[in-house]
Amino acid sequence: GQQLNQSPQSMFIQEGEDVSMNCTSSSIFNTWLWYKQDPGEGPVLLIALYKAGELTSNGRLTAQFGITRKDSFLNISASIPSDVGIYFCAGRVSGTYKYIFGTGTRLKVLA
Amino acid sequence: SAVISQKPSRDICQRGTSLTIQCQVDSQVTMMFWYRQQPGQSLTLIATANQGSEATYESGFVIDKFPISRPNLTFSTLTVSNMSPEDSSIYLCSVPGVAGGSYNEQFFGPGTRLTVL
Repeated sequence: GQQLNQSPQSMFIQEGEDVSMNCTSSSIFNTWLWYKQDPGEGPVLLIALYKAGELTSNGRLTAQFGITRKDSFLNISASIPSDVGIYFCAGRVSGTYKYIFGTGTRLKVLA
Repeated sequence: SAVISQKPSRDICQRGTSLTIQCQVDSQVTMMFWYRQQPGQSLTLIATANQGSEATYESGFVIDKFPISRPNLTFSTLTVSNMSPEDSSIYLCSVPGVAGGSYNEQFFGPGTRLTVL
């Protein structure tokens, strides 16, 4: 079945540093979504990407839809303690409204 | 985006029993989705709940174990039947948003944290 691999699996960074994470697949997707999940809560949508090569920002977050349509990247600039959480990518299954979720990147920020 | 609520927020249940989880949306939506998130894991789609028709289940999930109701366009329930400790998970409902008129985005409820003893 389709699978989305995220890397890194987890990371510790210092406050103020920039963070990069990516999501790769063996399949092509037409839409990529990036979510953040805090403990005990549902995932919150951060950024949506609709076109190959698209670069979209939301505050300190920037995400890109890979040219091959098999990958996506999320960058967080100048990290702060509240960036702690698990980040998930999700790709939309072609011809449906269903999404496949990535394995997640757990981010920990050291003040 | 839609406002989604779930009940209960958490529960501890005995094995062999069943639990029904409710999902309420503040606007009418054609599709609602139910996901399972096992401890420390990603989200896995259980089924798509469509109003007026039977739910569509993903591979590995069956109606007898996870019956779903969708009585109207703002409400759905998921029942976890004959529970075992392996069913301990967070159960999440989600609904599509409308971006460009094609339901591209998806929004989640707060989840129901289930522990089965």
